[in-house]
Amino acid sequence: NAGVTQTPKFQVLKTGQSMTLQCAQDMNHNSMYWYRQDPGMGLRLIYYSASEGTTDKGEVPNGYNVSRLNKREFSLRLESAAPSQTSVYFCASSTTKTGEARTRADTQYFGPGTRLTVL
Amino acid sequence: RKEVEQDPGPFNVPEGATVAFNCTYSNSASQSFFWYRQDCRKEPKLLMSVYSSGNEDGRFTAQLNRASQYISLLIRDSKLSDSATYLCVVNNPPAGNKLTFGGGTRVLVKP
Repeated sequence: NAGVTQTPKFQVLKTGQSMTLQCAQDMNHNSMYWYRQDPGMGLRLIYYSASEGTTDKGEVPNGYNVSRLNKREFSLRLESAAPSQTSVYFCASSTTKTGEARTRADTQYFGPGTRLTVL
Repeated sequence: RKEVEQDPGPFNVPEGATVAFNCTYSNSASQSFFWYRQDCRKEPKLLMSVYSSGNEDGRFTAQLNRASQYISLLIRDSKLSDSATYLCVVNNPPAGNKLTFGGGTRVLVKP
């Protein structure tokens, strides 16, 4: 049981290049999330997927796209990378019990992160 | 005003001492509260959920004050291994599964 896995662990891009960050979970969770973490700041939500087939914008979605490929996998794509996207990216998943999603949150489990540098 | 505010620290704590710190949150509709721990260059991991009546997990005690909208964490008998950044996390109804993270409080336990 690997939990949440992310690839790659490290990546260096040049401005304007594109790439996809991969995330997978084996806990049969309904919800998945992408965050970025910058020095001195809390984690900020980029996009999330409450269930298979749905995606929604978070706090900082500009410059990113996501795909919930199936229940296990949730990818984040940078179409044209910019230096402002240099950050550590974390994927997370949670159970999200039906009926409680509107008011309560379940524990989120995080992947090990991807350190991205855009030159 | 930030949605979740924490003192960034660092809190320098002698081994064996007690340390406590708070965080404040702005969304009065929040229903779920957590403390996560994050080690340097690692992912956040759940330390404990915070319940209305307060709860304890070994040397860690969490309290929730809804009236004043703050959460506290107390660590007793600090160990060197408690050195980490502690993230205060609250949810944001009506999208209850969306979480807002504080910037973290850094704790350094020294011999």
